[in-house]
Amino acid sequence: DQQVKQNSPSLSVQEGRISILNCDYTNSMFDYFLWYKKYPAEGPTFLISISSIKDKNEDGRFTVFLNKSAKHLSLHIVPSQPGDSAVYFCAARVPAGTYKYIFGTGTRLKVLA
Amino acid sequence: ETGVTQSPTHLIKTRGQQVTLRCSSQSGHNTVSWYQQALGQGPQFIFQYYREEENGRGNFPPRFSGLQFPNYSSELNVNALELDDSALYLCASFRGGGHTDTQYFGPGTRLTVL
Repeated sequence: DQQVKQNSPSLSVQEGRISILNCDYTNSMFDYFLWYKKYPAEGPTFLISISSIKDKNEDGRFTVFLNKSAKHLSLHIVPSQPGDSAVYFCAARVPAGTYKYIFGTGTRLKVLA
Repeated sequence: ETGVTQSPTHLIKTRGQQVTLRCSSQSGHNTVSWYQQALGQGPQFIFQYYREEENGRGNFPPRFSGLQFPNYSSELNVNALELDDSALYLCASFRGGGHTDTQYFGPGTRLTVL
């Protein structure tokens, strides 16, 4: 049972435009969400996070939105740059004492110059 | 760069063999999590070590085992390797015990089982 889903395997966006990556989850007990970016042959790099008590968190070009009623998370990148081309993973934390994170399957973003 | 290092970078083994992967956590971090990332999938939680004790385990069989040392570095051991164990193995470290929630990943070890 995939508790965290990224239904779009890939996304192409023109440079300078907005990239919107989506993530859905099923477990209403998740209390913390993160986005990671991954380049080939590297480990995932932390981008931005949001607590379940908030609905928005912003850091430079990156904004994460959380809609708890819809169990939906999105990452907005504005403006998109060619260097943003990578695989993006969303992850959700299970609040059970262990810092266990459930990851989605990833969305490959390609920013076209 | 996160300061989390893993060795080796790549490894090729045959079915039935045993393998040990290593991870050095970032300075100041006392917790290490191990993940398996199969091709086309997201990382899957294997287990976590906090202050040298296993502190949570995912849905992996007992032939996946680990250790954490006093300097908080960690090992992942896999016995009786199967073809499906071929994957990228990632470790992530953070300062557990109610501190920062963000895990920082190493570059991974690519394991191929033939």
